[in-house]
Amino acid sequence: RKEVEQDPGPFNVPEGATVAFNCTYSNSASQSFFWYRQDCRKEPKLLMSVYSSGNEDGRFTAQLNRASQYISLLIRDSKLSDSATYLCVVNPLRNQGGKLIFGQGTELSVKP
Amino acid sequence: DTAVSQTPKYLVTQMGNDKSIKCEQNLGHDTMYWYKQDSKKFLKIMFSYNNKELIINETVPNRFSPKSPDKAHLNLHINSLELGDSAVYFCASSRAGTASQETQYFGPGTRLLVL
Repeated sequence: RKEVEQDPGPFNVPEGATVAFNCTYSNSASQSFFWYRQDCRKEPKLLMSVYSSGNEDGRFTAQLNRASQYISLLIRDSKLSDSATYLCVVNPLRNQGGKLIFGQGTELSVKP
Repeated sequence: DTAVSQTPKYLVTQMGNDKSIKCEQNLGHDTMYWYKQDSKKFLKIMFSYNNKELIINETVPNRFSPKSPDKAHLNLHINSLELGDSAVYFCASSRAGTASQETQYFGPGTRLLVL
């Protein structure tokens, strides 16, 4: 089983749609969780950290369910500029040199 | 004002050659990393250095040797290149690698193609 699993997509949605991505992780002792965004042929960039209480940043909402080892990202009112690959990222261990485990990524394409 | 920079951006070379990729960050961060992203888009950590000291060394062939002359630079030297080394190599840095919530900032990547 992969350490971090995501549905690779692609998700093709119209502008204005709401889209949700899911991710599961295998290590129950994992400490911290993130969503990164990667545009085509570009580097990954942090989109948001994911906290146990859930957190929101504008149109983006991230949720964490530690019991189910499940992370989600909800994007409301999709824009064309949201088209990218969304990477679910887990830091499995505390104080271990910042090791991040990346999922394969979920590709999103927002169409006019 | 690039935060994390890598050179070269593209590298095309023959099997068996030795090549180096350079990385520099001007963010004042203590920790730097090398990642490999293969053709299936999986991004995997290879090494991390904290203040010039090796912290993480994943199961990487010893043909790959990182070198950190100072905490702002982390270079990657690859000996005897193989076809399977073709990938995008990303350098990254963070303020302090031991804090699990620290954001990692990535360089633009070096696209390596081994022929």
